[in-house]
Amino acid sequence: GQNIDQPTEMTATEGAIVQINCTYQTSGFNGLFWYQQHAGEAPTFLSYNVLDGLEEKGRFSSFLSRSKGYSYLLLKELQMKDSASYLCAVREPGGGTALIFGKGTTLSVSS
Amino acid sequence: DADVTQTPRNRITKTGKRIMLECSQTKGHDRMYWYRQDPGLGLQLIYYSFDVKDINKGEISDGYSVSRQAQAKFSLSLESAIPNQTALYFCATSDGGLAGDRDTQYFGPGTRLTVL
Repeated sequence: GQNIDQPTEMTATEGAIVQINCTYQTSGFNGLFWYQQHAGEAPTFLSYNVLDGLEEKGRFSSFLSRSKGYSYLLLKELQMKDSASYLCAVREPGGGTALIFGKGTTLSVSS
Repeated sequence: DADVTQTPRNRITKTGKRIMLECSQTKGHDRMYWYRQDPGLGLQLIYYSFDVKDINKGEISDGYSVSRQAQAKFSLSLESAIPNQTALYFCATSDGGLAGDRDTQYFGPGTRLTVL
């Protein structure tokens, strides 16, 4: 079966570092995406990993281990505006290009 | 102007009514998608289209139909709305990886649909 697991909720304080984990079990793998979604708004693209390792983009980094079916999103120097849901999505190989989304992790950043 | 627009942004309707949600994009992407999002359930794919002549069912297509009127327009219809179709609906587009952006999907602002 297909399954993507993320923690439901996380809390952190301004200026801190937080790591949001994602584990996946899918019939194939052709890339993993992280999206940010503020309440009631559209998901916005954050990062993409298809090879093992770390991708860094400003305060955000994403890591992938294909052998472990594992990814994490690392947010540094947290700001209040980072309070949002973070969605992990896996793309399966083949022409379907469909994304399988996890249920999302709601991050609350407090001062 | 927004690259992906959805109309209406909010809609309240009654059980049994036919509803159409519209999506337009100016990104020039060939691929378009419809998702629904329910609290605690994440995004679920309803239908997707790779070009005007290509329509594919997603994981939850029952009770829905779509029309791809042009490259830029992709409509979702609920033939006879029921209360459990109350959800937030998102349209998304992607370019198939042609521009080197890994076929990233870009989402519209969403339509909040309530079926009474």
